[in-house]
Amino acid sequence: DSGVTQTPKHLITATGQRVTLRCSPRSGDLSVYWYQQSLDQGLQFLIQYYNGEERAKGNILERFSAQQFPDLHSELNLSSLELGDSALYFCASNSGTVNTGELFFGEGSRLTVL
Amino acid sequence: GESVGLHLPTLSVQEGDNSIINCAYSNSASDYFIWYKQESGKGPQFIIDIRSNMDKRQGQRVTVLLNKTVKHLSLQIAATQPGDSAVYFCAEKGGNNRLAFGKGNQVVVIP
Repeated sequence: DSGVTQTPKHLITATGQRVTLRCSPRSGDLSVYWYQQSLDQGLQFLIQYYNGEERAKGNILERFSAQQFPDLHSELNLSSLELGDSALYFCASNSGTVNTGELFFGEGSRLTVL
Repeated sequence: GESVGLHLPTLSVQEGDNSIINCAYSNSASDYFIWYKQESGKGPQFIIDIRSNMDKRQGQRVTVLLNKTVKHLSLQIAATQPGDSAVYFCAEKGGNNRLAFGKGNQVVVIP
């Protein structure tokens, strides 16, 4: 158990809809990362937050947004969903203060867009 | 369990044998490399890392080798066990401080 909790584990929705994925980082971790894992693209970095502020942005679509709340949990909002958004969405966390590549990943939220 | 379903390079290895998983990276400015393991239905899990000022680093049953000349990274697993069956990703960290993951290699351990 990594200590990172993601909900929901599975989500099925229709094109054009909007969903919110939730992540609780490990206790004490200030940094949260979102990754998308799809069939053809592997693990793609979306966005990183540190202590409530956006720190880095990757290949995140404009239809997607995220935020980190004062209690350090994070939400990834996906809107105007398309079939190609079907993927596993992972949240990861670490302290954000040490120069390390060790991220602690949750078990992911599997999104299926029909 | 769930799997990503990528058409990944697959290494089949007999239980007890050694495994070698290879990874080529593209960014010569990358100075930090990590191997992650992803078991079916789970998120990636950190295995071992290496900085660019080293060419070898050993952990418990794992060794990472870095060849900066040819931009190649490998992970060696000694005495492979059934629990080693997973997808293995290499990742590199460059100047933008972001981790970029490779596509992954599937390891299947044959009992």
